[in-house]
Amino acid sequence: DTGVSQDPRHKITKRGQNVTFRCDPISEHNRLYWYRQTLGQGPEFLTYFQNEAQLEKSRLLSDRFSAERPKGSFSTLEIQRTEQGDSAMYLCASSLTGTAQETQYFGPGTRLLVL
Amino acid sequence: KQEVTQIPAALSVPEGENLVLNCSFTDSAIYNLQWFRQDPGKGLTSLLLIQSSQREQTSGRLNASLDKSSGRSTLYIAASQPGDSATYLCAVKRKIGSSNTGKLIFGQGTTLQVKP
Repeated sequence: DTGVSQDPRHKITKRGQNVTFRCDPISEHNRLYWYRQTLGQGPEFLTYFQNEAQLEKSRLLSDRFSAERPKGSFSTLEIQRTEQGDSAMYLCASSLTGTAQETQYFGPGTRLLVL
Repeated sequence: KQEVTQIPAALSVPEGENLVLNCSFTDSAIYNLQWFRQDPGKGLTSLLLIQSSQREQTSGRLNASLDKSSGRSTLYIAASQPGDSATYLCAVKRKIGSSNTGKLIFGQGTTLQVKP
């Protein structure tokens, strides 16, 4: 068990380009979460999956954002037509339902800079 | 709507001091509360998780308390060390019936600097 991993760790892109991030949760964790964190703020919830099903989406997740978890394992977060306001750290976490309090374990994050 | 606030935003103390970080939340219907540590540019590391039925949790030099009725939690760090320098975040998970909503709602964090 190597923990939650995210790829890439850093991404620089130009405004208007599309970007895709990947998250690999802890194996056998059935819940996977995406959060966004801007400088000096706490993480904000974006969306989460239980297995393949996307159970909740934040109003922060505009139409330009889409997340998938096709086989209930890894997940991707795509941002289309990036804007400078999308610059942030994107954090992924996973948890296992049915365990004590369902602790969420976080990955190292993907830092996005939109020029 | 659940809101989580952390005070102070930043704190600087000399090595060896005991200190308290504060977290408050507006809705007492929580499933649990977690304290995290975040080093600059890194992800989050879970420090302590307090179930809604518990009053406190301890791990080493850390002690976290929870008072649901007043909507407050504190993280006590004993004998602080320079290696404790980081941002500390608290987060609550809302409760719906006997279940949880899944997502965590975070405070803004307290950035701690422990000077040698």
